[in-house]
Amino acid sequence: GNSVTQMEGPVTLSEEAFLTINCTYTATGYPSLFWYVQYPGEGLQLLLKATKADDKGSNKGFEATYRKETTSFHLEKGSVQVSDSAVYFCALWGSNYKLTFGKGTLLTVNP
Amino acid sequence: DGGITQSPKYLFRKEGQNVTLSCEQNLNHDAMYWYRQDPGQGLRLIYYSQIVNDFQKGDIAEGYSVSREKKESFPLTVTSAQKNPTAFYLCASSNGQGETQYFGPGTRLLVL
Repeated sequence: GNSVTQMEGPVTLSEEAFLTINCTYTATGYPSLFWYVQYPGEGLQLLLKATKADDKGSNKGFEATYRKETTSFHLEKGSVQVSDSAVYFCALWGSNYKLTFGKGTLLTVNP
Repeated sequence: DGGITQSPKYLFRKEGQNVTLSCEQNLNHDAMYWYRQDPGQGLRLIYYSQIVNDFQKGDIAEGYSVSREKKESFPLTVTSAQKNPTAFYLCASSNGQGETQYFGPGTRLLVL
């Protein structure tokens, strides 16, 4: 079946540091890939997505590239802010027509 | 403003009690979903509905029930058969097959 594996957190960074959150997946066919963000006490917000190999999704300074050869979709940001502190979820939409989520990675950015 | 609303924000359940969580959307989306989130876990699908008057079980449907009488509304009932109901419940909606889903703010259910 489909699965998503994210790097375990928590991740703690200083403001303006570079962020990478790793995500790898297992799926049959050609899934679409997503990053969602969850701020404390809130629902999930779609951050970015990519629907085919080599696509790059980007939003609010975050970006991720769909790498089929390594089955990965790592999230990156060049300079994080305190306001980026949240839980980040990697997810895939597969041939079973369902969203499969990773367990989430907690990011804390200190001033 | 278009969006998804969930109520209440917090809900307390007594032993043996059924409780209902509300989810409403004004995005004109056909499909709606219920997920359960436990600490340190990803989201798990409880039920989903792709059209009015039709719904399907997700991965963890036992102890839950739903209805879809209107396009805008997809209430979830947590029954007394759900022995471990404490969790954060998220409703989502989408157009088309459901690839891009939009989430509500969630309801936190606690057991007294």
